Amino acid sequence: GAVVSQHPSWVICKSGTSVKIECRSLDFQATTMFWYRQFPKQSLMLMATSNEGSKATYEQGVEKDKFLINHASLTLSTLTVTSAHPEDSSFYICSARVQGRPRPQHFGDGTRLSIL
Amino acid sequence: AQTVTQSQPEMSVQEAETVTLSCTYDTSESDYYLFWYKQPPSRQMILVIRQEAYKQQNATENRFSVNFQKAAKSFSLKISDSQLGDAAMYFCAYRRVIQGAQKLVFGQGTRLTINP
Repeated sequence: GAVVSQHPSWVICKSGTSVKIECRSLDFQATTMFWYRQFPKQSLMLMATSNEGSKATYEQGVEKDKFLINHASLTLSTLTVTSAHPEDSSFYICSARVQGRPRPQHFGDGTRLSIL
Repeated sequence: AQTVTQSQPEMSVQEAETVTLSCTYDTSESDYYLFWYKQPPSRQMILVIRQEAYKQQNATENRFSVNFQKAAKSFSLKISDSQLGDAAMYFCAYRRVIQGAQKLVFGQGTRLTINP
């Protein structure tokens, strides 16, 4: 149980393109999902908390106009990297929190984004 | 603000031996959650073990166990009978219990190598 699916797993695109990444909770409802960014050999950096039916909460320093988050249903959150540039190349991971103590987060497989 | 520190960037162990990964954290709260996540080369984040701070008993999951020392704010992970598949980055994480405070605070990670 508690499976989180993330798609696509790898995307390569040209500079200036907008890229959408999907995060789905397959067997549970997730009112809250999280988006992380991970640079090589580093820990996960929380970008934003996605709340179903409301605006996302962004961490300090994260450009909300660059990284658009939509959480339209209890099982789907999307991250759109708008007008992507090479510096946006990174590994992006989503997670969703299950209900009940201790409510661990379960992670998707991640998306490797490469901007040429 | 809570912080999590993993002081061992890299560890190695012989296959079938036991290894302990260290984690310390800083918090002023009395109730919280602690987790260990594993990230293999595939980069998927896998929940290894969880601990609730109000529980004195150390959590155990098969070959994985923790040594939770609340007063010392220490949460080490012991892997017994190490297997080649245990090779990965291991992240210690902290989360508050308070409703609405859902962020995971990660340590820097420890890269574990298993020598055959």
